[in-house]
Amino acid sequence: GQQLNQSPQSMFIQEGEDVSMNCTSSSIFNTWLWYKQEPGEGPVLLIALYKAGELTSNGRLTAQFGITRKDSFLNISASIPSDVGIYFCAGPRAGGTSYGKLTFGQGTILTVHP
Amino acid sequence: NAGVTQTPKFQVLKTGQSMTLQCAQDMNHNSMYWYRQDPGMGLRLIYYSASEGTTDKGEVPNGYNVSRLNKREFSLRLESAAPSQTSVYFCASSAQPEGYNEQFFGPGTRLTVL
Repeated sequence: GQQLNQSPQSMFIQEGEDVSMNCTSSSIFNTWLWYKQEPGEGPVLLIALYKAGELTSNGRLTAQFGITRKDSFLNISASIPSDVGIYFCAGPRAGGTSYGKLTFGQGTILTVHP
Repeated sequence: NAGVTQTPKFQVLKTGQSMTLQCAQDMNHNSMYWYRQDPGMGLRLIYYSASEGTTDKGEVPNGYNVSRLNKREFSLRLESAAPSQTSVYFCASSAQPEGYNEQFFGPGTRLTVL
């Protein structure tokens, strides 16, 4: 089946540091979505990207839709303790009848030490 | 406006028992989805409903059935629970099945099958 590979799998950083994570696929995606999941909660949408090369920010978060349409990047600047959680990339496969079916990456677990 | 709600939040079953997980959304969305989340595997689609009156299998449908009761409600049924179905189950909805299909998630149901 469709695979999205996220890296790194986990990160342990100090408060104030910047964070970078990425998501890659062997297939082309039409849309890239970045979600954050906090313990005991469902994923919450952070950023949605719709065009190759697009760069979008949401506060301290910035995400980019890769030019090849096979990857995406998420950066968090000046991390704070409440950034802790699991970050997922997701997207619908380009072409065919995807009917909104999303493929999710395995997630990046972020831990921020005060 | 509660978004996506799920009941119950926690459930423990014995092998062979049946149960139905309930999901409702108040955003007038057309499409609804059921996922399961297991450690290190991200979210995997079980079933989805592109619109009221339609349901289709996702990536891991075996052992489950679904009912799109109306536009608001989408239930997931386990007819004969197995320990392999121990997982966290998330319901999600989106405004449309294709295009800019940002999905919104409920808080999850944590199911343990003994």
